[in-house]
Amino acid sequence: EAGVAQSPRYKIIEKRQSVAFWCNPISGHATLYWYQQILGQGPKLLIQFQNNGVVDDSQLPKDRFSAERLKGVDSTLKIQPAKLEDSAVYLCAGGWGNSPLHFGNGTRLTVT
Amino acid sequence: QKEVEQNSGPLSVPEGAIASLNCTYSDRGSQSFFWYRQYSGKSPELIMFIYSNGDKEDGRFTAQLNKASQYVSLLIRDSQPSDSATYLCAVMNRDDKIIFGKGTRLHILP
Repeated sequence: EAGVAQSPRYKIIEKRQSVAFWCNPISGHATLYWYQQILGQGPKLLIQFQNNGVVDDSQLPKDRFSAERLKGVDSTLKIQPAKLEDSAVYLCAGGWGNSPLHFGNGTRLTVT
Repeated sequence: QKEVEQNSGPLSVPEGAIASLNCTYSDRGSQSFFWYRQYSGKSPELIMFIYSNGDKEDGRFTAQLNKASQYVSLLIRDSQPSDSATYLCAVMNRDDKIIFGKGTRLHILP
């Protein structure tokens, strides 16, 4: 069984630039989550999709972050424009029902 | 408002001893509880999940849940140096959001 795929693994950009991350969950994962994990902290939920609909985006900084999940499969998370405090690992995870999450390897973003 | 609380540690435990990790949560309607292990620079990996009050054992790991006290714990028996990592407690609340604590750093002393 293929795992949750994320790309890129690493990204370095300058502040005010744009960046996009991609996630392809395991087949059958109805629910998809994007988390932001700053060094030394636990993952912070940014947005949760159920199929292709947004369930919760209350923690997403909507002035600069956007996310979509077209066709209820893969998803993209975009930051435009990036700030220094956006430096973090962005984790994508999939699941269904109340089952445990399966995480991808994450994208480590550095904003300089 | 903190929803999932963990002691950040570090928690130092001698090799072969029992490591006890604790977590409290604020949403009394939460139904699903997870423990993840995260090595430095890696993604979280699932260790245990528990849905019902009581204990659940899997090898050297035991998860304990007390919904009345809003408390979930993870015990690691016969601790090994390879158990040194950050342990994340995660809770699915009544809104089906999975919220993580900040994690507890565990050091197993050889």
